[in-house]
Amino acid sequence: AQKITQTQPGMFVQEKEAVTLDCTYDTSDQSYGLFWYKQPSSGEMIFLIYQGSYDEQNATEGRYSLNFQKARKSANLVISASQLGDSAMYFCAMRVSGNQFYFGTGTSLTVIP
Amino acid sequence: NAGVMQNPRHLVRRRGQEARLRCSPMKGHSHVYWYRQLPEEGLKFMVYLQKENIIDESGMPKERFSAEFPKEGPSILRIQQVVRGDSAAYFCASSPGSGRAHEQFFGPGTRLTVL
Repeated sequence: AQKITQTQPGMFVQEKEAVTLDCTYDTSDQSYGLFWYKQPSSGEMIFLIYQGSYDEQNATEGRYSLNFQKARKSANLVISASQLGDSAMYFCAMRVSGNQFYFGTGTSLTVIP
Repeated sequence: NAGVMQNPRHLVRRRGQEARLRCSPMKGHSHVYWYRQLPEEGLKFMVYLQKENIIDESGMPKERFSAEFPKEGPSILRIQQVVRGDSAAYFCASSPGSGRAHEQFFGPGTRLTVL
């Protein structure tokens, strides 16, 4: 069975500090992709970062980096130098064969001035 | 290059009516996915379509829900005889189906409210 787990319903971080959002996954597929999306209060889903199961290096996109630990089946998102505009829901997702995405339940991040 | 477009953005229906949600994928994308997001939850896969074909509908309720992606025009998600439990945000995503097929681009969603 395919599953994505996000255990942090809500997180707070001080502006300019770094924050880590947790994500663990479960799949028997050898080839898969891991994604993070941001959903602000306006509701759209914004793609942040992607990690392939065979990628040896952790993905980075600007202030976003993905801490990929394959043996632990974790794909945590690290946001450095948090900004007020980072306040949003964050979803971890996994793609396996068949192109279907499996989403976690999300983490609500609040950046405190 | 316009992104994924969905309309309407908000839809209000009374119980028993039909809801029709439209999705125009990004230019050059031939793969469309529909997801449903209930309040306080993540997105749940419903159906995956290519032009004129349903590839995977394992997440779609067996009754009242149908989807199509015709040769011409947008993809349509149809919900017949809506009930209050159908109230949710419905997201469409598209991918090119090759190369960077691993990334799905999401539309802004349609928020369905059933009174």
